[in-house]
Amino acid sequence: AQRVTQPEKLLSVFKGAPVELKCNYSYSGSPELFWYVQYSRQRLQLLLRHISRESIKGFTADLNKGETSFHLKKPFAQEEDSAMYYCALSGSSGGYNKLIFGAGTRLAVHP
Amino acid sequence: EAGVAQSPRYKIIEKRQSVAFWCNPISGHATLYWYQQILGQGPKLLIQFQNNGVVDDSQLPKDRFSAERLKGVDSTLKIQPAKLEDSAVYLCASSLLGGGQPYEQYFGPGTRLTVT
Repeated sequence: AQRVTQPEKLLSVFKGAPVELKCNYSYSGSPELFWYVQYSRQRLQLLLRHISRESIKGFTADLNKGETSFHLKKPFAQEEDSAMYYCALSGSSGGYNKLIFGAGTRLAVHP
Repeated sequence: EAGVAQSPRYKIIEKRQSVAFWCNPISGHATLYWYQQILGQGPKLLIQFQNNGVVDDSQLPKDRFSAERLKGVDSTLKIQPAKLEDSAVYLCASSLLGGGQPYEQYFGPGTRLTVT
């Protein structure tokens, strides 16, 4: 079964501290993984995708196929990083890709 | 470019009533998605359209939910009759293409439905 697990509902850190939001997935095939973010009163939006190997707003995520993980990391958290973060897996269904989301982790960065 | 538009933003109805949501995707986006997001959970795909054809409705409760995308542009999602467990945020998203490519999905603001 295709599944995304985000074990933490809430991650609370202080400004300047490192951040790691965990994501594990279950998928029998070659997965496409994404991180989406929703800031307060804003729409859900794409933060980064593993195939692009970018660093967006200081965040990076590495796909580890051995551990079936796609953890999101940032070395120094900022208050503006406070948001809801969703890990998502693009799984094939009848030749069409659909996103399967985890339950999300709320990141709270305190001053 | 204008984003995905949804209306209404909020809706409160009693159980067994019907409700409809509207979505206007980004111009030129062939693929349109409806998601249901229950409080404390991630979005769950209900139905996916490629132009005006349905490509995935495996998680749509077809006994009460229906959706259409006439002319391959706007879409409506209907619930009839509503149940208490339908209380959720209904998100519409669109992407440039679907097919076998995981194109970026752009989300609307959502409609928050409360069933009492």
